[in-house]
This record gives sequence, C-alpha cells and structure tokens, in this order.
Amino acid sequence: NAGVTQTPKFQVLKTGQSMTLQCAQDMNHEYMSWYRQDPGMGLRLIHYSVGAGITDQGEVPNGYNVSRSTTEDFPLRLLSAAPSQTSVYFCASSYDPLETDTQYFGPGTRLTVL
Amino acid sequence: AQKVTQAQTEISVVEKEDVTLDCVYETRDTTYYLFWYKQPPSGELVFLIRRNSFDEQNEISGRYSWNFQKSTSSFNFTITASQVVDSAVYFCALLPGGYQKVTFGTGTKLQVIP
Repeated sequence: NAGVTQTPKFQVLKTGQSMTLQCAQDMNHEYMSWYRQDPGMGLRLIHYSVGAGITDQGEVPNGYNVSRSTTEDFPLRLLSAAPSQTSVYFCASSYDPLETDTQYFGPGTRLTVL
Repeated sequence: AQKVTQAQTEISVVEKEDVTLDCVYETRDTTYYLFWYKQPPSGELVFLIRRNSFDEQNEISGRYSWNFQKSTSSFNFTITASQVVDSAVYFCALLPGGYQKVTFGTGTKLQVIP
C-alpha cells in the first residue's frame, strides 16, 4: 500500500492562477479531509468528505473547492490563488473519522503564492 | 464551538529530563475524542493516541504517558527521560462525537538539547 499520496510536494503560483492539489489513498478509506498548516495556527480543516459524492466544509473553506467522485481521490482546487493561501496543505484519510489509530496523513504540499 | 488550547508555544529541555505538554479543550458535547499527534522536523504527522470522553484512565506507552482529566478539561502529555528524537511539534486535537470536524491546537514545539 502506498498510503496517502499528495502531489505536488512543492508549488509556486502567481496571484490569480488556478491549480489542483492531488490526494489519493489506496486503503479504501471512506473519510478524507484537507487541512492547511500555518505558523502559529496549527492545522485547520478546509473541507472533508465522508464518502464518494459527499463533501462538506470545514473551518476555512473559502477559496477552495473539492469533489469526491471516487473513494480513492479527493482533489483540492484553488480557483484563483491568493497570497493568503500560502501554506502547507495536508490530506488525511481514515476508514472512520473516529478510528484515528488508523488515520493517515499525506506528506504535505508546500504552496507559495506570489 | 470547539476549542483546543496549547498554551506552551515552545519548550526546551535537556536530554533525560521529563517534560509535560499541556492541552486544554472546550466542548459542549458529552461525547468527544481527544488526540495527540507528533510532527517531527521532517514534516509528517504521526498519530500518538486517542482517548474518548468516557475513559479517564491514564495511559502509558513506554516513555509516553497521558493524563486525561474531565474536571479540568485537560489532556496532558508527559515524556519521561526525554531524548533528542523527541524533538518535534506536538499537536493536541478534539473531535466531537457525531461530527467529522477535528479541531487542532496550535502546537507545542519541543526541543530536546543533548
């Protein structure tokens, strides 16, 4: 098993550009989520999904879109990047959101918006 | 609203000293789950422990121990005989029962000096 994979690892964007952060898991987990990590802020939940076709907003959803067409993939889209979206992004998955002893985080994507 | 407070931003200890990381949480739910994660300098997030609100037994795992006290809404983490490999950022997190939104604290950076 590859676990949770994220691509790219690093990305630099200009303000106004769009891009998609990819997240995939091969563990047949139902629950997937996206967090951003900023200095002094901890991890903040952006969006989450409890299964294919179901998504919901987290704490800081503005400026981000998600979709869940398959169990394996949960991409995060930035439609018009802003400098405030400079951050490290983590994707996570678990079979059940309560079963965090089997929750897996991806390695992260470091995004810089100029 | 859910809230997790880690008042200690940074802690430095000399190797072999014991250190306690504090975590105070706020929730109105009677059922909830508390977690600790470790983020070493390499950046990945490592799950350490989960505790539910009905289980106030303290837990020990090797040099790690956790003290959960509902009366003070605290879930503190102690490392005994610290080692350089313990140097990392540690996050406390809260998941209310019936929801899928995990709230993280802002983290405590632990530096163990050889």
